[in-house]
Amino acid sequence: QVQLQESGPGLVKPSGTLSLTCAVSGGSISSNNWWSWVRQPPGKGLEWIGEIYRSGSTNYNPSLKSRVTISVDKSKNQFSLRLNSVTAADTAVYYCARDSTIGGAMDVWGQGTTVTVSS
Amino acid sequence: DIQMTQSPSSLSASVGERVTITCQASQDIDNHLNWYQQKPGKAPKLLIYDASDLETGVPSRFSAGGSGADFTLTISGLQPEDIATYYCQQYDDLTTFGQGTRLEIK
Repeated sequence: QVQLQESGPGLVKPSGTLSLTCAVSGGSISSNNWWSWVRQPPGKGLEWIGEIYRSGSTNYNPSLKSRVTISVDKSKNQFSLRLNSVTAADTAVYYCARDSTIGGAMDVWGQGTTVTVSS
Repeated sequence: DIQMTQSPSSLSASVGERVTITCQASQDIDNHLNWYQQKPGKAPKLLIYDASDLETGVPSRFSAGGSGADFTLTISGLQPEDIATYYCQQYDDLTTFGQGTRLEIK
């Protein structure tokens, strides 16, 4: 079955750029699915960041759109997140997820990776 | 933007009890609503998609319904392993999550 694994630096300096990668195993990034990023600040709820399709088409959360880029690398079977101009408010657990072909449900999730923004 | 409001924010119930969580959208979203369960330190898990369809492998004590702007998630016969935070998610216009409902055992 499809598995997702996030990776990237756990500590980012304020005003810097957060970069994470989600590796897809047991399936293809080129399948008929959208692929999402979701984050969760400590003790708070879930926030959708954005999604990408195999073609490179993207949708972003309007509140983050000016700072977010999601890209796909089909040769490596992975997709990535870049969030620039980060502040302490961007400290969170970041999850990658697969959007089911049925509706907009996220049916496969990575385990999550903690990113702290601090000097 | 579509806002999702869950109630209650937290809930305490006894084992075996019937529990209902509600989710209200700020506008009509048809049946474009999913429910997730998240246990501490874990990723969310899909429970219900398209407002009322049970994800494969999810116990039948979980059920859900609604359409338009008002939705419910019901657990019929609460079990200790159901202790978690539950989130609704709309996908009618991009994606938005509700703020979550924390469920505890009384």
